Amino acid sequence: QQQVKQSPQSLIVQKGGISIINCAYENTAFDYFPWYQQFPGKGPALLIAIRPDVSEKKEGRFTISFNKSAKQFSLHIMDSQPGDSATYFCAASTETGANNLFFGTGTRLTVIP
Amino acid sequence: ETGVTQSPTHLIKTRGQQVTLRCSSQSGHNTVSWYQQALGQGPQFIFQYYREEENGRGNFPPRFSGLQFPNYSSELNVNALELDDSALYLCASSLYGQEAFFGQGTRLTVV
Repeated sequence: QQQVKQSPQSLIVQKGGISIINCAYENTAFDYFPWYQQFPGKGPALLIAIRPDVSEKKEGRFTISFNKSAKQFSLHIMDSQPGDSATYFCAASTETGANNLFFGTGTRLTVIP
Repeated sequence: ETGVTQSPTHLIKTRGQQVTLRCSSQSGHNTVSWYQQALGQGPQFIFQYYREEENGRGNFPPRFSGLQFPNYSSELNVNALELDDSALYLCASSLYGQEAFFGQGTRLTVV
């Protein structure tokens, strides 16, 4: 059973546009929701993370929106750039760190010039 | 660069063999977690080590085992390799309870 569901599977955005990736979860015990960026042949890199006591967190061009009642969270990438082309994973866990993170299936983002 | 290094970067093994993968954690970190990432999938949690003890385990059989050493580096051992064990194995290190950083992974191919 997939603990974290992620959509879309792939996304193509024009340079300068907004990329939006959505995730949903069922386990209300989840307390930590990170997003990771992964380039081919590399390990995942932590982009931004949020806890359920806030509804939004912004770091540079990356924003997480969190809806606790709907058990959904999303990543918005503003002013998308070709260098943002990568696979993005949402994840959830009951604790901060890398212990027992449940990952989504990933979204392959392509930003076209 | 995260400071987390894994070795080897690539490995080919035959079904039924045993394999040991290594992870050197970032300086100052005391926790190491291991993940398996099949092609086109998200990583799946194998286990975590904190202060040389297993601190959590995912849904993996006992033939997946690990160690953490006093310098906080870690090994992942897989016995009786199966074709489905072919994957990218990732290690992540952190200070306990803090955000974790992944290494570049070891690509294991079982033939």
